[in-house]
Amino acid sequence: AQRVTQPEKLLSVFKGAPVELKCNYSYSGSPELFWYVQYSRQRLQLLLRHISRESIKGFTADLNKGETSFHLKKPFAQEEDSAMYYCALGVISSGSARQLTFGSGTQLTVLP
Amino acid sequence: GAVVSQHPSWVICKSGTSVKIECRSLDFQATTMFWYRQFPKQSLMLMATSNEGSKATYEQGVEKDKFLINHASLTLSTLTVTSAHPEDSSFYICSARDRREVSYEQYFGPGTRLTVT
Repeated sequence: AQRVTQPEKLLSVFKGAPVELKCNYSYSGSPELFWYVQYSRQRLQLLLRHISRESIKGFTADLNKGETSFHLKKPFAQEEDSAMYYCALGVISSGSARQLTFGSGTQLTVLP
Repeated sequence: GAVVSQHPSWVICKSGTSVKIECRSLDFQATTMFWYRQFPKQSLMLMATSNEGSKATYEQGVEKDKFLINHASLTLSTLTVTSAHPEDSSFYICSARDRREVSYEQYFGPGTRLTVT
């Protein structure tokens, strides 16, 4: 069965420091991975998708199929990056629907 | 961009009553919508997948008679919590997939805070 693991529930870094939010997955099919972010009192929004290989707000994430990982990185954290981050895996359900399986999330706090 | 709205944003109801939550895709058509439940500082738990014009598919452990889902049009899905109890108090979030897109991406609503007294 598919699974997404985010080992860190809480992560605190100082402003300007590098940050890495870990995500590991298990899936028998071809993975499609996403990072979603939820700022305080706001809706969940897409941050990155691995197929786009883009950098959003200074964040990047590389899919490593050998290590089954999709870690999110930013070289210099900013206070406005403080939020809840969810790693998500696209899967085909038993009913043939395209669904997302979410990790448990990591609450990132960037300290001044 | 794709926008999903939910109504109401919060609701308080008495135990034993039913409450309906609406989810609308405002600028796109969605053949598939999803309903999630989120507990404080926890992940999203998928409750059901709603397909336009057909019955919803419920995840294991979700009572289909308690959480009624209707997806009557390409822009509207509703979740009705029937005979609500305090343990149903939670944050309910819907999302939708744009029918034109082939990816897994979902657009999320702002959520509805349900409190059952």
